[in-house]
Amino acid sequence: AQSVTQLDSHVSVSEGTPVLLRCNYSSSYSPSLFWYVQHPNKGLQLLLKYTSAATLVKGINGFEAEFKKSETSFHLTKPSAHMSDAAEYFCVVSEGEYGNKLVFGAGTILRVKS
Amino acid sequence: NAGVMQNPRHLVRRRGQEARLRCSPMKGHSHVYWYRQLPEEGLKFMVYLQKENIIDESGMPKERFSAEFPKEGPSILRIQQVVRGDSAAYFCASSLRTGTDTQYFGPGTRLTVL
Repeated sequence: AQSVTQLDSHVSVSEGTPVLLRCNYSSSYSPSLFWYVQHPNKGLQLLLKYTSAATLVKGINGFEAEFKKSETSFHLTKPSAHMSDAAEYFCVVSEGEYGNKLVFGAGTILRVKS
Repeated sequence: NAGVMQNPRHLVRRRGQEARLRCSPMKGHSHVYWYRQLPEEGLKFMVYLQKENIIDESGMPKERFSAEFPKEGPSILRIQQVVRGDSAAYFCASSLRTGTDTQYFGPGTRLTVL
């Protein structure tokens, strides 16, 4: 079974400083990986996805993630945090016979200080 | 282009009652997924449906829970004889195709069981 581990339950940064949210995956084959964001009492929005094309994936709102097979990592980064980035972020891997089942990490709550 | 719609957004039920959660996928999407977010737990896959077919229900509790996606109308997640442990946020997602096609999430239904 596929799984993802988000290494930090909470991350706090100052506005304008870089963001790093860490994720390690476990997969028996080349996985499809995603990052989703959830703002309070809202649904989930896809930030970006990796499906074995380029290892550096660019997403929305200035976020990007790099797939590193040797480290089994898929960390999410942003050069400069904005107050509106405060939310919960989920690293996700797909599994299942049809690749249809999303397996979510536990989530990382990002706090942005002014 | 409307996104995934779920209703109601909030639902309160007393123990033993039935809960019906509705999901209208994005226009043109024929693949629907249900996920549950329990307090202090991550998002968990419940079921994957196509029109009139249940494809993968490996995440559904064995009793009291059922899902359908009829030829016409929204997908329904039905919980019979609700218990307090059913209190959670239930999210629906839809995709255009199966496999690793992007799943777009609705805003969720927050079920509270008194």
